[in-house]
Amino acid sequence: SQTIHQWPATLVQPVGSPLSLECTVEGTSNPNLYWYRQAAGRGLQLLFYSIGIGQISSEVPQNLSASRPQDRQFILSSKKLLLSDSGFYLCAWSPGLNQPQHFGDGTRLSIL
Amino acid sequence: AQSVTQLDSQVPVFEEAPVELRCNYSSSVSVYLFWYVQYPNQGLQLLLKYLSGSTLVKGINGFEAEFNKSQTSFHLRKPSVHISDTAEYFCAVTTDSWGKLQFGAGTQVVVTP
Repeated sequence: SQTIHQWPATLVQPVGSPLSLECTVEGTSNPNLYWYRQAAGRGLQLLFYSIGIGQISSEVPQNLSASRPQDRQFILSSKKLLLSDSGFYLCAWSPGLNQPQHFGDGTRLSIL
Repeated sequence: AQSVTQLDSQVPVFEEAPVELRCNYSSSVSVYLFWYVQYPNQGLQLLLKYLSGSTLVKGINGFEAEFNKSQTSFHLRKPSVHISDTAEYFCAVTTDSWGKLQFGAGTQVVVTP
């Protein structure tokens, strides 16, 4: 069966520091991959999605970037974090077109 | 573009009572609809999905939802809730070939004894 892993589960970073969140999927190949952010008390905002290695689409302009160096690996990065980057970050995958997305357990990021 | 509206931000309900969470969408083309549940500090878990076929969809944990095309709705129901159903519930829709989901703002369900 397929599984998705995200780490770390929680992270506290100072303003201006870099960020790297990692997500990996097991048990499938060529998944669609997604990064979401969930701010406190709000819904989910799609940040990036990818349909293949090296193919990244950004949904909103921001201080973050994403990369997909391997088929089942999706990384969310920032060179310099802002206070507004705080939130709950979720990675998800889907097997194909219009199929359900399956989510990781999330990373709670706090910026001090 | 599609949009999703969850009409209730919070729904209090007593244990063993029924619950209905409302979801309306807007789209000019065919849709695919989903309900997810999120427990505190966890990711989202798929409850059920409507891709095609029967408009009454049964999911996990005793939940079901009905797709109503004329009313552009996809309401979620459970005939008898448990304390463990306390969570946030998200309705989502896609019409995009990439499978990008548009989420509603969520409905917080609080089940009390």
